[in-house]
Amino acid sequence: DIQMTQSPSSLSASVGDRVTITCRASQVIGNDLSWYQQKPRQAPRRLIHAAANLHSGVPSRFSGAGSGTQFTLTISSLQPEDFATYFCLQHNEYPHTFGPGTRIDIK
Amino acid sequence: EIQLLQSGPEVKKPGESLRISCQGSGYVFRGYWIGWVRQRPGIGLEWLGIIYPGDSDTRASPSLQGQISISADESTSTTYLQVNSLKNTDTGMYYCARADGGQGFDYWGQGSLVTVSS
Repeated sequence: DIQMTQSPSSLSASVGDRVTITCRASQVIGNDLSWYQQKPRQAPRRLIHAAANLHSGVPSRFSGAGSGTQFTLTISSLQPEDFATYFCLQHNEYPHTFGPGTRIDIK
Repeated sequence: EIQLLQSGPEVKKPGESLRISCQGSGYVFRGYWIGWVRQRPGIGLEWLGIIYPGDSDTRASPSLQGQISISADESTSTTYLQVNSLKNTDTGMYYCARADGGQGFDYWGQGSLVTVSS
């Protein structure tokens, strides 16, 4: 199975901060990676697909980059509604696998 | 409007089986893969398996193969996840989600809470 790691596992940040989360795959996955946001007691919501494409309706402060084995999700100016947990998902090879998540807390 | 509507919460005993349903609407059901994802308490997201309703092509996580089966009924636009030989550690929230042409999951169900306890 392809193993996905994320860093950091958690971070504290303030409204207006620029935040970057990294996701690494244990083997090359091209750009077959998507990013999700999950808030407590809610289903995940896709933010980014194909590593860098913004999902419809997602604010432009979210951006994705990377290919191969290393990927990033950046929030350019953190908003109060962005405090949540973020997951990456590789869908290059079965079984698809999620990263362990990065929780963003209010500083 | 695209929606995935899942069945309600379940309480089961260890060793029992359960079946969760996920009914799609607002799109061509047979044309999109539907995946199943689990989230156990305090743990992240776990990919369980996926099915293409058009031809019932199915892939399951090797770690769960044998314990789970996934099926689809085109006549009702419904996908099913069956989990057998339940253990306490199968407790969690189970989600179905639509796979968007190899781009991950674009629409998610609301989740079905499963509790396994003696």
